[in-house]
Amino acid sequence: DTAVSQTPKYLVTQMGNDKSIKCEQNLGHDTMYWYKQDSKKFLKIMFSYNNKELIINETVPNRFSPKSPDKAHLNLHINSLELGDSAVYFCASSQGFLAAQPQHFGDGTRLSIL
Amino acid sequence: GQQVMQIPQYQHVQEGEDFTTYCNSSTTLSNIQWYKQRPGGHPVFLIQLVKSGEVKKQKRLTFQFGEAKKNSSLHITATQTTDVGTYFCADQTGANNLFFGTGTRLTVIP
Repeated sequence: DTAVSQTPKYLVTQMGNDKSIKCEQNLGHDTMYWYKQDSKKFLKIMFSYNNKELIINETVPNRFSPKSPDKAHLNLHINSLELGDSAVYFCASSQGFLAAQPQHFGDGTRLSIL
Repeated sequence: GQQVMQIPQYQHVQEGEDFTTYCNSSTTLSNIQWYKQRPGGHPVFLIQLVKSGEVKKQKRLTFQFGEAKKNSSLHITATQTTDVGTYFCADQTGANNLFFGTGTRLTVIP
């Protein structure tokens, strides 16, 4: 039983295209996140949602638009893909957001822009 | 802005040797979490440190939080090939936002 699942696992597409990544968690957590990990392995928070509401948007271009239809899902839509968007995108979830809680990560989506 | 640096960036050890990674911050850390990411995998939570000077152990892993809460360390005794991966510290800022360190990539030579 996968706790945090992302689809697709790999995404290869051309510059300028629009793509979406889906994330679902079955842990009953209230808070979900999107992280970007670049080729140097730097892991950076992009968005944080608590109970479907946006909590954090960390200076991410507005080409990236998260959507949370319910607290178990947090999808990421990217418009007009650029070469610099090539990275691994991780979805994560945690129980609550005010107190320090461990985060559970999905397997990642490896996005390659041609 | 906040910077959480980890040293070393890379470490190669012979199996059986010890390994330590250090996490240093320019500002006072709130709570420190440690994660391990295997090659091709995703970060997996290891432990959380909250109190100044705190020390926690998990089998061969020892985690410390500095007295001034500006640094933390992870020490592995007698490394095994299963310890291979990148170890990240992360500072938990407001709203459970994790600010990850730069990571230390550990290679264990059998």
